[in-house]
Amino acid sequence: AQTVTQSQPEMSVQEAETVTLSCTYDTSESDYYLFWYKQPPSRQMILVIRQEAYKQQNATENRFSVNFQKAAKSFSLKISDSQLGDAAMYFCALERTGSARQLTFGSGTQLTVLP
Amino acid sequence: DGGITQSPKYLFRKEGQNVTLSCEQNLNHDAMYWYRQDPGQGLRLIYYSQIVNDFQKGDIAEGYSVSREKKESFPLTVTSAQKNPTAFYLCASNKKGLAGSITTGELFFGEGSRLTVL
Repeated sequence: AQTVTQSQPEMSVQEAETVTLSCTYDTSESDYYLFWYKQPPSRQMILVIRQEAYKQQNATENRFSVNFQKAAKSFSLKISDSQLGDAAMYFCALERTGSARQLTFGSGTQLTVLP
Repeated sequence: DGGITQSPKYLFRKEGQNVTLSCEQNLNHDAMYWYRQDPGQGLRLIYYSQIVNDFQKGDIAEGYSVSREKKESFPLTVTSAQKNPTAFYLCASNKKGLAGSITTGELFFGEGSRLTVL
């Protein structure tokens, strides 16, 4: 069975500062995808960033980057130059490559951005 | 614009009543999914479908039913057998289908439906 753990239910960051959200996971598979999804107050989930497990290079999307530590089964999200629009619930998710089953989600981290 | 439409956005139901949540997508995606979201528990998979006229149970299928008669549509019925139906329900889709189709991994979500049982 796959599990995804987000140990920080809430985080806050000052506008323009950097914040890191933690995620650990457990899977017996060697090939899988990891994702960070964002759910703003409007409730519509959107993809923030994706990492393929076979790639050693950490994924980056503008101000968002990940620190993927495969051996430690850790997948943290770093948000640089935080903006008010970054305030949302962030979910870490794990998917086995080629699996008929879909993503396993963590319980989420509520991020508050302080002006 | 392409996307996923869920309706209704808010729904109230009396105990003992069945209710159906609609999910329509015009993204030409093969696979569709229903998730339930409760505070502090993230998203849990209810049902998914990778092709028309076929669907599989997810982790919490008891008390729910679905159909997939058209590629674009994947309605979810919350039956009276569901013990604690009050929740936020999210429908999603992606390009992943059966073997041979492209796997992107990215899910596209609707805006959700909030069901409250009175």
